[in-house]
Amino acid sequence: GQQVMQIPQYQHVQEGEDFTTYCNSSTTLSNIQWYKQRPGGHPVFLIQLVKSGEVKKQKRLTFQFGEAKKNSSLHITATQTTDVGTYFCAPDRGSTLGRLYFGRGTQLTVWP
Amino acid sequence: DVKVTQSSRYLVKRTGEKVFLECVQDMDHENMFWYRQDPGLGLRLIYFSYDVKMKEKGDIPEGYSVSREKKERFSLILESASTNQTSMYLCASSLGSSNQPQHFGDGTRLSIL
Repeated sequence: GQQVMQIPQYQHVQEGEDFTTYCNSSTTLSNIQWYKQRPGGHPVFLIQLVKSGEVKKQKRLTFQFGEAKKNSSLHITATQTTDVGTYFCAPDRGSTLGRLYFGRGTQLTVWP
Repeated sequence: DVKVTQSSRYLVKRTGEKVFLECVQDMDHENMFWYRQDPGLGLRLIYFSYDVKMKEKGDIPEGYSVSREKKERFSLILESASTNQTSMYLCASSLGSSNQPQHFGDGTRLSIL
């Protein structure tokens, strides 16, 4: 089945530093979603990328979809303690039924 | 706002018991999903339903079954619970097409003793 590699698995940063997590696939993706899960919470949808080379921004968060649609990244500028959590990429499984494949996630810790 | 409600936040059962986890969504979503989440393994799909009475196996269906008799309700059944099924179970729902976000419940932390 479809596999995605999400790196790094863990990231510890000082508040104010930047953070990036990467999602890599060996196959071309039709689209990819990103989710955030706060400690003790459930995954919450952040954004969806569909087009090759697409870049979307949400305040300090920048999401990119690679030109070949085989990789994606989430970059957070000037992290804050509220950014703590696990970030998952979730490519579509390539069917019309809306199933996703969740990566293992990157767990972000922000030190004040 | 979409609400996905899981019947229990915490559940403790014994090995060999039949366990039912219930999930209800209030947005008339066609798709419903059951995942389990274990440290370092992310979310793994157990079963998926795209319509009433319709189901498909996910990546790790062994030891589980599901039931979807009504559109709003999707049940996960552990026929004979085992200790390796101790985990966090997450239910999600989405509209019935690709490119739709999934909405998650708060999860059920199940312990099998």
